Amino acid sequence: EIVMTQSPATLSVSPGERATFSCRASQSVSSNLAWYQQKPGQAPRLLIYGASTRATGIPARFSGSGSGTEFTLTISSLQSEDFAVYYCQQCNNWPTTFGQGTKVEIK
Amino acid sequence: EVQLVESGGDLVQPGGSLRLSCAASGFTFSSYWMSWVRQAPGKGLEWVANIRPDGSEKYYVDSMKGRFTISRENAKNSLYLQMNSLRAEDTAVYYCARESRGGSWYDYWGQGTLVTVSS
Repeated sequence: EIVMTQSPATLSVSPGERATFSCRASQSVSSNLAWYQQKPGQAPRLLIYGASTRATGIPARFSGSGSGTEFTLTISSLQSEDFAVYYCQQCNNWPTTFGQGTKVEIK
Repeated sequence: EVQLVESGGDLVQPGGSLRLSCAASGFTFSSYWMSWVRQAPGKGLEWVANIRPDGSEKYYVDSMKGRFTISRENAKNSLYLQMNSLRAEDTAVYYCARESRGGSWYDYWGQGTLVTVSS
């Protein structure tokens, strides 16, 4: 099973600042990587798939990059609604696996 | 509008059984792989099982194989998860999720249903 490791566990950012966090796979997953946002009490929401393609309705301030084993999600200018937990998911190998999440909190 | 609505979560004793349901609407249910994904309290996401559009293939995470059974009724636009021999560590919110046609990421999720296993 592929292990997905996200860092940091928590990121403190001020509104308007840029936030960047990482996801590392224990072996190559090509570009078969998705990112989700989850707010308290809500279901996850798909942000990015194919490592860099924004899902329908996702603002342009969200961008994903990387391939192989190293991936990055960047939020260019944090808005109040962006404070949440972010998960990566590899869907290259069975079983699909998720990272443990990065919590983005208000600084 | 795509909607997934789970139901069936409850408090159950260890060793007990529960059947979760997911009612789908707003899309051609019979054309999509569907999954169950769970999230233990305060923890991350864990894939549980998925099923082919026609129901002919089913896959499970190893720790749940033999205890959980995924099924679907396309005529009723419904997905199910039969859970037997429940353990405390199965306590979680269980989400129904639609797999994208382009890959195994999840483009729509239900709101989740809480299963609590406790005596």
